[in-house]
Amino acid sequence: KQEVTQIPAALSVPEGENLVLNCSFTDSAIYNLQWFRQDPGKGLTSLLLIQSSQREQTSGRLNASLDKSSGRSTLYIAASQPGDSATYLCAAYETGELTFGTGTRLTIIP
Amino acid sequence: DTAVSQTPKYLVTQMGNDKSIKCEQNLGHDTMYWYKQDSKKFLKIMFSYNNKELIINETVPNRFSPKSPDKAHLNLHINSLELGDSAVYFCASSRTGNSPLHFGNGTRLTVT
Repeated sequence: KQEVTQIPAALSVPEGENLVLNCSFTDSAIYNLQWFRQDPGKGLTSLLLIQSSQREQTSGRLNASLDKSSGRSTLYIAASQPGDSATYLCAAYETGELTFGTGTRLTIIP
Repeated sequence: DTAVSQTPKYLVTQMGNDKSIKCEQNLGHDTMYWYKQDSKKFLKIMFSYNNKELIINETVPNRFSPKSPDKAHLNLHINSLELGDSAVYFCASSRTGNSPLHFGNGTRLTVT
């Protein structure tokens, strides 16, 4: 059974810094890996989806990488801003099932 | 023009009651889901529907029943509510199983 882990559970960094969020999964037979952000009291917003055949995806200041062989994905946020403060979740998709990590709560300090 | 909308946003009810949460998506997606987010913020899938056919049914109590009148709707009915059912429930949809998920804003259910 797939297990997805995100460490650390919480992270605080000063505004303007670059940062990396980590995600690891136990079963490498995934079709894709997705990154989401969740704002308090709101739903999840899809940020990036990396297909199993891809190594990375970029959207604006965000870059997500995928290494299936090691069961790891990272989300790189460049030039962080206070508006980036949220909980970030990764999720690994296998046949018919998306398994979420427990998330990293990111706080950007102005 | 919200993509995935669920109602109500908050639901407070007593143990033993029966309640429903509605979900609608206007994205033309083929698959819809219900997720439960517990107090530790862990998201776990409960159900998914593809073209009105249940394709995932995790080990949730049979007090929970999804109902899909059409491809754009997936409602969640809960019978005989228990304290442990208190959580945030999210509806989501995707074009296919291998496409990005679009989530609703969640329904916070509190059972007293």
